[in-house]
Amino acid sequence: KQEVTQIPAALSVPEGENLVLNCSFTDSAIYNLQWFRQDPGKGLTSLLLIQSSQREQTSGRLNASLDKSSGRSTLYIAASQPGDSATYLCAVRNYNTNAGKSTFGDGTTLTVKP
Amino acid sequence: KAGVTQTPRYLIKTRGQQVTLSCSPISGHRSVSWYQQTPGQGLQFLFEYFSETQRNKGNFPGRFSGRQFSNSRSEMNVSTLELGDSALYLCASSRQGPYEQYFGPGTRLTVT
Repeated sequence: KQEVTQIPAALSVPEGENLVLNCSFTDSAIYNLQWFRQDPGKGLTSLLLIQSSQREQTSGRLNASLDKSSGRSTLYIAASQPGDSATYLCAVRNYNTNAGKSTFGDGTTLTVKP
Repeated sequence: KAGVTQTPRYLIKTRGQQVTLSCSPISGHRSVSWYQQTPGQGLQFLFEYFSETQRNKGNFPGRFSGRQFSNSRSEMNVSTLELGDSALYLCASSRQGPYEQYFGPGTRLTVT
């Protein structure tokens, strides 16, 4: 059974700082890993998708890496801004004959202080 | 391109009632997944539909059911509502292959 852990649960940083969010998973037989952000009471917004065969993906100030062998992914946010304040979730999609389902971590709540 | 839409956005129901939630995926997406989000349990997978067939099911009681129509729109139904069913219900659609999930805004269900 896939288990996904995100550490830390909460993070507070001053504006402009670079930061790293962590995601660990127990079953390396994954199809893909996706990072999302969620604002309070809202749905999830997709940030980056990394396929099983990829090592990293970049979008603007965001960079996500994937190391299947160690069961880890990181989300790097450069030059953080107050608008980045949100909960960040990672989701791992396992591969089986029916292309699996996604297992989510509990998220890291990020606060960027002006 | 229109995003994933969910209706209704908010619902208040009484214990014992039943409820139906609707999800319209992004045009061209044939996979629809449903999730329940609560403060205590986080995001939990309910079920996934592809081309009108349920492909995966999470660990929820039989009171939770769903279906998908030929136009890929999906509904989920919860019968005999319990207080613990109060949650944000999210649906996500994706295209086969990359399976990048796009979420709707959710339906906030409150059971009193």
